[in-house]
This record gives sequence, structure tokens and C-alpha cells, in this order.
Amino acid sequence: DVKVTQSSRYLVKRTGEKVFLECVQDMDHENMFWYRQDPGLGLRLIYFSYDVKMKEKGDIPEGYSVSREKKERFSLILESASTNQTSMYLCASRLRGYNSPLHFGNGTRLTVT
Amino acid sequence: DAKTTQPTSMDCAEGRAANLPCNHSTISGNEYVYWYRQIHSQGPQYIIHGLKNNETNEMASLIITEDRKSSTLILPHATLRDTAVYYCIVRVVGQGAQKLVFGQGTRLTINP
Repeated sequence: DVKVTQSSRYLVKRTGEKVFLECVQDMDHENMFWYRQDPGLGLRLIYFSYDVKMKEKGDIPEGYSVSREKKERFSLILESASTNQTSMYLCASRLRGYNSPLHFGNGTRLTVT
Repeated sequence: DAKTTQPTSMDCAEGRAANLPCNHSTISGNEYVYWYRQIHSQGPQYIIHGLKNNETNEMASLIITEDRKSSTLILPHATLRDTAVYYCIVRVVGQGAQKLVFGQGTRLTINP
């Protein structure tokens, strides 16, 4: 079974703090993704990476950055956390390939106060 | 972008087949249909996907119409643990890599 592990289930941070969300997958997947999920808005893609050291902006990249130094690890960085970044953050990975499905972690619920 | 339309909510009795419809009338010829579900407080779980033929796995069956403008996910013997939000997704080709765009989904409630 594919396992996508997010380092924290719950995080509480203060406005202006730099926040790191970590994601690790154990199946040698090339592609990795960060989504956020908010009530009424569904899942929205923040950033994705189709291989080590590569990254692409998703639909809502503002206020975020990412790092992919190793194939198994994809980090989401909030440079200066704001209250509107309070959300559920979901990491996903997939094999490179035209129709490979996404495999998700269980999410990190981030609260910025 | 190919978009999907699903009912907001559905109910089904435990033990019965749950049939979840999805419309994707603007789907392109090479776009796959994916189904995921999300149980409360967990990440989305992959269920099944297909292109134009019907597909079946240990979780569900996927029926795609011949014109590919709609599909139905079938959970053959629903249990209480199948209560979740079900997402029908059409893959969207982005720049350099594919991405999946999630809609609002169908909230399926399995009743005892």
C-alpha cells in the first residue's frame, strides 16, 4: 500500500510566523502535490512537483513556496503565515504516467491566530 | 477545463447498491474519469478510474456511457463505512504535468 505521511495532524501558528508542512511518500512516486481544502471551496491546488527540484504553481500559489530536494519529500512553506491561510492542507503523490491516480495523506489542519 | 456535475447529496440503505452519477459533458477524448471519496477528517481515497470501458475493482464499478458524457460509480453492497463525500474528477492537463481539479462532490449517507 502506498503511504503518504504528513508530519503533523494539527498545527497552531501565529500570524507572521514561517511555517513548514512536511510530506513524505514511500512509493518512489515522481509527482507530488499540495492542496488546501476549505468548506464550500473544495480542494484547490497550491503547488505541484513532477520530479526532484522541479516545481510548478497550481491555482493558488500566492503566499506559499515549496521545496523538493529529495524524491520522497515535498515541503510546503508559508513564508509569513496569515489568518486566511487557516485551512486543511493535503499532500498527494502519484507515479509519473498519463493516468496514475493520486494518493493522499491524512492532512494537516493548520490554524493561524 | 472539463468540468463535472454531481448531485450535492444522496442517501442509500445499508446493503443496497449505491449508484452515484456524474456528468462530464465537455470531456475530451483522451481524458480519464477518476473517482475519489473522503471520509470525515481523512484525506481523499482513490476508488477507481476509467477512460471509456466499464471498470471494476474490489471497491466499486465504474460505468461510462458510450458518448462519455456521464458516468456512474456503483458501490454494490453499501455499508455504513461508505458514508463519505464522493468526488468525480476529470483529469486536466496542465503545463508540464497533469493535475486533478476537484469539484464539490456528492455527500453519500448510508442509512442502517
